Amino acid sequence: SQTIHQWPATLVQPVGSPLSLECTVEGTSNPNLYWYRQAAGRGLQLLFYSVGIGQISSEVPQNLSASRPQDRQFILSSKKLLLSDSGFYLCAWSLGQGIYNEQFFGPGTRLTVL
Amino acid sequence: AQKITQTQPGMFVQEKEAVTLDCTYDTSDPSYGLFWYKQPSSGEMIFLIYQGSYDQQNATEGRYSLNFQKARKSANLVISASQLGDSAMYFCAMREGGVSNFGNEKLTFGTGTRLTIIP
Repeated sequence: SQTIHQWPATLVQPVGSPLSLECTVEGTSNPNLYWYRQAAGRGLQLLFYSVGIGQISSEVPQNLSASRPQDRQFILSSKKLLLSDSGFYLCAWSLGQGIYNEQFFGPGTRLTVL
Repeated sequence: AQKITQTQPGMFVQEKEAVTLDCTYDTSDPSYGLFWYKQPSSGEMIFLIYQGSYDQQNATEGRYSLNFQKARKSANLVISASQLGDSAMYFCAMREGGVSNFGNEKLTFGTGTRLTIIP
């Protein structure tokens, strides 16, 4: 069966510090991968998605970046965090293409920037 | 314009009663899919139910059903016989099909409804 992991689960970082969040998927090959951010009490905002190794699409201009060094690994990074980067970050994966393409979410990382 | 609108920020429902969570959507694409997710306080997103734009019947999954009214562009989630464990945030989401979206498998989410079940 497929599983998705995210770490760390929680993170407190000062403004201006770097960030690296990791997401890995097990039990599947060539998944589509996604990074979402959820501000407190808000809906999910898609940040990045990837349909293959090295292929990254950005949805929102910001100081974050994403990379996919391996098929089942998706990394969210920042060189210098802002206060507005605080939130709950969710990684998700899906298979194939088409309308019915359920996304499976990881447990999330709660980031607080002080 | 918002693609997904959830007009109920919060709802309180008595245990064992049925509850309807509203969702309206906006798209010009004839091919699309609608999803409902549940987010408990732990933060994980749990897939509940799916409705395709060409599906003739309303989707059902156990106590969950989707009241799909295509002409009104609404896809309300109905939870029958609510339970205390149903207390959570509920998100409606849409994926649009079409050639321009081929390979772009992103979901657009609404702002959610916080459902609280009262014992």
